[in-house]
Amino acid sequence: DAGVIQSPRHEVTEMGQEVTLRCKPISGHDYLFWYRQTMMRGLELLIYFNNNVPIDDSGMPEDRFSAKMPNASFSTLKIQPSEPRDSAVYFCASSFNTGEQFFGPGTRLTVL
Amino acid sequence: AQSVTQPDIHITVSEGASLELRCNYSYGATPYLFWYVQSPGQGLQLLLKYFSGDTLVQGIKGFEAEFKRSQSSFNLRKPSVHWSDAAEYFCAVVSGNTGKLIFGQGTTLQVKP
Repeated sequence: DAGVIQSPRHEVTEMGQEVTLRCKPISGHDYLFWYRQTMMRGLELLIYFNNNVPIDDSGMPEDRFSAKMPNASFSTLKIQPSEPRDSAVYFCASSFNTGEQFFGPGTRLTVL
Repeated sequence: AQSVTQPDIHITVSEGASLELRCNYSYGATPYLFWYVQSPGQGLQLLLKYFSGDTLVQGIKGFEAEFKRSQSSFNLRKPSVHWSDAAEYFCAVVSGNTGKLIFGQGTTLQVKP
C-alpha cells in the first residue's frame, strides 16, 4: 500500500484566497483524521471521520475551515478565506477501527 | 479527561549513550498507548504501541517502551542512540472508543557526536 497520500505537499497562497488540501487514506481504513501542527500550538486534531461521517469537529478553529469526505478514499480540508495565521503543516491520518493511526507526509501551507 | 504529559521538552544525549524519554498519561481504563517519531520535515511514524499483554514492547529502530500501570507511565528507551535518532518524539493515548489520539507536547531529541 502507498500509505496515506496528501496533496499538495507545499502550498503558498495569498491572504483571502481559498485553499483546498486533499487526502487519500489507506484502503480499508474507516477512520480519517485531520491535524494541524504549528510551533506555538503543537499538534492539534481538527476533525475526524468514521465511515465518511464527521464525528467530532470541535477542533476546527473557525467557520472558515470545512472538511468533507465524499467517499472512503478521499477527503478535503478547505480554508476560505485563508489568513496568515493559518500557516502550518496540515496532516491527514487514517486508521482501522480505533487502532494505530498512519500519517501522511503533510501539507506545508504558507499564507502571505 | 484523558491527557498525556511529556515532561521533557528537549533532551540532548551523546551518540552511543542510552536514552529514556518520559511519558505519563491520565486515563481511567486500560489505555492504548503509542510512541511516534517525527523527523524534520516529515510526517509522524509509529515506533511502537501497547494495547495489552506484555508490558515491555519492542518497536522499530531498536526502541522499546515499558507500560507501568502503577506509575501511569509509558517511557521510551533505547540502549544506544544513533545520530539519525535526532527527531521529535510524541507519546499518545487513544481516547476511549473514539479512535482519537491524545498527544503529548513532544520531546525534541538532539544527539551530540
